[in-house]
Amino acid sequence: GENVEQHPSTLSVQEGDSAVIKCTYSDSASNYFPWYKQELGKGPQLIIDIRSNVGEKKDQRIAVTLNKTAKHFSLHITETQPEDSAVYFCAAREELTGGGNKLTFGTGTQLKVEL
Amino acid sequence: ETGVTQTPRHLVMGMTNKKSLKCEQHLGHNAMYWYKQSAKKPLELMFVYSLEERVENNSVPSRFSPECPNSSHLFLHLHTLQPEDSALYLCASSQDLRENTEAFFGQGTRLTVV
Repeated sequence: GENVEQHPSTLSVQEGDSAVIKCTYSDSASNYFPWYKQELGKGPQLIIDIRSNVGEKKDQRIAVTLNKTAKHFSLHITETQPEDSAVYFCAAREELTGGGNKLTFGTGTQLKVEL
Repeated sequence: ETGVTQTPRHLVMGMTNKKSLKCEQHLGHNAMYWYKQSAKKPLELMFVYSLEERVENNSVPSRFSPECPNSSHLFLHLHTLQPEDSALYLCASSQDLRENTEAFFGQGTRLTVV
């Protein structure tokens, strides 16, 4: 099955700086990689995703890059703001034995944006 | 809100109790999931339902029993739990099980087993 590793586990940045979170995956067949943001007391929410036929995707201050050869993908947040403080999870989608697909998640990164 | 509602938000139960977690989605989705979220661990997929049929049981102990009476509702019945079962239990739904369909999560039930 798929194994997803995520680093770092905690990350502190100053407001306005950039933040980068990195993930690696093991199953070369995985082809969909979403990123989720989980704020305190809430469930994870999708913020951006990337498919294996694309190397980079950007949505305002958030961007994701994918290197299929190396089997790693990264989340980049520019001009960080206090409201970016949350736990971020990467995930990779793999096939279920019974058909369909499932997400395998990383361990999460606690991002703290300091004033 | 994501359209996925979980109740209760918090639950404290003894090891001999029986309780149920409820999840309801208002998105018209056909697939629903239970995840367990423990501190410093990845989200662990427990069960997957598609069109009310269970398609995945990720080696979950029998003290956790899911039920999906229709495509909008998902339950997790709990009995004789252990303290290590204390965690945040998250429900999610997606349009179906095809590739690249977004999963929407509920806010979770914080379970404490005493």
